[in-house]
Amino acid sequence: EAQVTQNPRYLITVTGKKLTVTCSQNMNHEYMSWYRQDPGLGLRQIYYSMNVEVTDKGDVPEGYKVSRKEKRNFPLILESPSPNQTSLYFCASSLFFRGVLGETQYFGPGTRLLVL
Amino acid sequence: QQPVQSPQAVILREGEDAVINCSSSKALYSVHWYRQKHGEAPVFLMILLKGGEQKGHEKISASFNEKKQQSSLYLTASQLSYSGTYFCGTVPDNYGQNFVFGPGTRLSVLP
Repeated sequence: EAQVTQNPRYLITVTGKKLTVTCSQNMNHEYMSWYRQDPGLGLRQIYYSMNVEVTDKGDVPEGYKVSRKEKRNFPLILESPSPNQTSLYFCASSLFFRGVLGETQYFGPGTRLLVL
Repeated sequence: QQPVQSPQAVILREGEDAVINCSSSKALYSVHWYRQKHGEAPVFLMILLKGGEQKGHEKISASFNEKKQQSSLYLTASQLSYSGTYFCGTVPDNYGQNFVFGPGTRLSVLP
């Protein structure tokens, strides 16, 4: 079954304790992306990756890191989480179409993060 | 720059039609439409590409006015299952790969 998986689904942590949220897709997609969703603000892109070893900042990259060492995996790293990073996080993947993102994005189930 | 969506919220009776609008200040390559139920991941509905190509569903259709950089999503004969928040997402027409969602339109369909 074609899918995007995220782990963990729920996470409670404390300020400053490094954490990683994993994302994996089995559709051989080139493009992967992380979003955070907050009430009233919609989904905002944190980082995206166009292929292995190619990543770029989205609209809200501060406080986050990513890496793309394999095509299927795109982990999101919070080196020193703060309470303002409490949010619902989604990973997504997509094919490229005509050299740009012209196809649908498939979303993972989401990770709810609470930073105390 | 985030696209603008209107209305922010709409309430319908089953069987009524709805239109949701999305506009951008930038030239766009594509506009994507997603629906999200509370607590779930967004689900793809529709994509419109520069040049007029369109993909979609039966009772849900959309248009893309390239001159105005505006897109509209049309929901016909709404069903209870149409309830949710609708987001448009945009890809700029400069070979940029960043994807920007609009703030969303909350649609409630009542029996």
